[in-house]
Amino acid sequence: GDSVTQMEGPVTLSEEAFLTINCTYTATGYPSLFWYVQYPGEGLQLLLKATKADDKGSNKGFEATYRKETTSFHLEKGSVQVSDSAVYFCALSGTSGSRLTFGEGTQLTVNP
Amino acid sequence: EAQVTQNPRYLITVTGKKLTVTCSQNMNHEYMSWYRQDPGLGLRQIYYSMNVEVTDKGDVPEGYKVSRKEKRNFPLILESPSPNQTSLYFCARITRPQHFGDGTRLSIL
Repeated sequence: GDSVTQMEGPVTLSEEAFLTINCTYTATGYPSLFWYVQYPGEGLQLLLKATKADDKGSNKGFEATYRKETTSFHLEKGSVQVSDSAVYFCALSGTSGSRLTFGEGTQLTVNP
Repeated sequence: EAQVTQNPRYLITVTGKKLTVTCSQNMNHEYMSWYRQDPGLGLRQIYYSMNVEVTDKGDVPEGYKVSRKEKRNFPLILESPSPNQTSLYFCARITRPQHFGDGTRLSIL
């Protein structure tokens, strides 16, 4: 079945540092890929998405590129802020569209 | 604005006492789903529904029931809750991209 693996966390960075959170997936066919963010005490918000190979999703300075050859969708940001502290989830949606398969989540803490 | 509303946001209860978590959406969407979130496991799908009176099991359906009598509402029912169902629960509209409610934190003592 489908699966998503995220890098182990938590991740602690200083403000303005470069961020990478690794995500790899296993799926049949051509899934859509997503990054969701969960701020403390809140639900999940879609951060960015990519629906086909080589697509780059971007939002709020975050980027991720759909790499079919390496089955990866790594999240990057050039300069993190304290307000980026949250839990980040990588997810995929198969062709049926009836479910999202999530990674374990990565807690990011950004210190001033 | 699309909204998915869950109630209650927090609930502490005891083993075996039936409870229902309500979920409603305001966009007349057909596809709805319930997830639970546990540390180190991410979110796992419990049940989903593609339309009124059409529901199907997700990855972790044991101990849960759902109902879809009308398009707007999709309640999650725990007939006899147990401590291993202590978790954070999310209702979601399935249409891509999925839109999540704010969550319900259940503690089963």
